Amino acid sequence: GESVGLHLPTLSVQEGDNSIINCAYSNSASDYFIWYKQESGKGPQFIIDIRSNMDKRQGQRVTVLLNKTVKHLSLQIAATQPGDSAVYFCAERPYNTDKLIFGTGTRLQVFP
Amino acid sequence: GAGVSQTPSNKVTEKGKYVELRCDPISGHTALYWYRQSLGQGPEFLIYFQGTGAADDSGLPNDRFFAVRPEGSVSTLKIQRTERGDSAVYLCASGRGITEVLTFGAGSRLTVL
Repeated sequence: GESVGLHLPTLSVQEGDNSIINCAYSNSASDYFIWYKQESGKGPQFIIDIRSNMDKRQGQRVTVLLNKTVKHLSLQIAATQPGDSAVYFCAERPYNTDKLIFGTGTRLQVFP
Repeated sequence: GAGVSQTPSNKVTEKGKYVELRCDPISGHTALYWYRQSLGQGPEFLIYFQGTGAADDSGLPNDRFFAVRPEGSVSTLKIQRTERGDSAVYLCASGRGITEVLTFGAGSRLTVL
């Protein structure tokens, strides 16, 4: 079946370091991918998205990389800050559907 | 409002009872989604609306779950004969269209005793 998964359930980084959160997806027909950040007690918050016709997209301190050959998605956070501590979800939208399929999430812990 | 509003934020009920969860989307957003999130898991799709109609309800787990959006704005998720396994956070999200970025509410935490 369709699934989106993450390699690392918990990632701990030092403040100021760069963070890389990885995600594997199984549906090669997915045409849209998105990263959400979720803090405790809150709903998921949009970070960045990318369409399948791109392999890289940059935002403010964040970069998403898409490797369709190996069906891999990553989120890079530059100069990680304590406020970045949260659970991060990747999600995919299979082609010709209108729903997002979420992975199980990676918890990012930032230490001062 | 400025964001997606969900009420109640917390609901504790007994097994077998009926519950309603409400979602007020961002004004002007035509697409509205319901997701369910269990502890330690990612959100799981339940249903989405484009306007007043349910465009895809394939994620509803069984016929105890039902959702409406009669005027194309506010939506209500209805759960009949609740079971302990229904305990989760129910998230609502809205967007300008089904291909646009979704904005999520804070969720309604349902606990079935």
